[in-house]
Amino acid sequence: EEQLLESGGDLVQPGGPLRLSCRASGFIFTTYAMTWVRQAPGKGLEWVAGISASGASTYYAESVKGRFTISRDSSTNTVSLQMSGLRAEDTAVYYCVKSKAVARWFDPWGQGTQVTVS
Amino acid sequence: QSVLTQPPSVSAAPGQKVTISCSGSTSNIERNFVSWYQQFPGTAPRLLIYDNHKRPSGIPDRFSGSKSGTSATLGITGLQTGDEADYYCGTWDSILGAGIFGGGTKVTVL
Repeated sequence: EEQLLESGGDLVQPGGPLRLSCRASGFIFTTYAMTWVRQAPGKGLEWVAGISASGASTYYAESVKGRFTISRDSSTNTVSLQMSGLRAEDTAVYYCVKSKAVARWFDPWGQGTQVTVS
Repeated sequence: QSVLTQPPSVSAAPGQKVTISCSGSTSNIERNFVSWYQQFPGTAPRLLIYDNHKRPSGIPDRFSGSKSGTSATLGITGLQTGDEADYYCGTWDSILGAGIFGGGTKVTVL
């Protein structure tokens, strides 16, 4: 069974850093792109960042460009999101998602991890 | 303001059909594959439709997807109370160089 388990969500002060991690299992990690999608309270889905299967290419939403960095480690089947300069508007549930070609489709989704900036 | 436009809500009686539109542009829907997601309150989204019209295993054929030009549509036939959820379309935008989602549509079964 394919599974994604996020961790690292926390309450953080504005301007502070936070690192999210996602451990993948049940599929060949090196053959899929990985993505982070977030959902602010009561709002819709927002694509945040994606990384290619090889890790050679990364992509970011304009709202996080320059502040967030996505990376992956094939030795531990882990994808990470390093966040800095956090703002109140970054408050959201962050989902780790396995994806095809970064944004062709997203499946499965992790259970999400809460990030609160206050 | 989402790049992809969806109606905020649609509704129909049990057994009826609803369609949810997702309107975009040449740089996103027309040039790239569209996928659709279902989300119940407090849970993670799940993939309903990928590559414009394909269903993952386990998704009933009451759910269908189509695309024409700069728009895509999700159809749900034989509406059930268990279909009450939020639905999102998603794709890649070739100009933004980023993934995008529609604003979401809430389906209500009357």
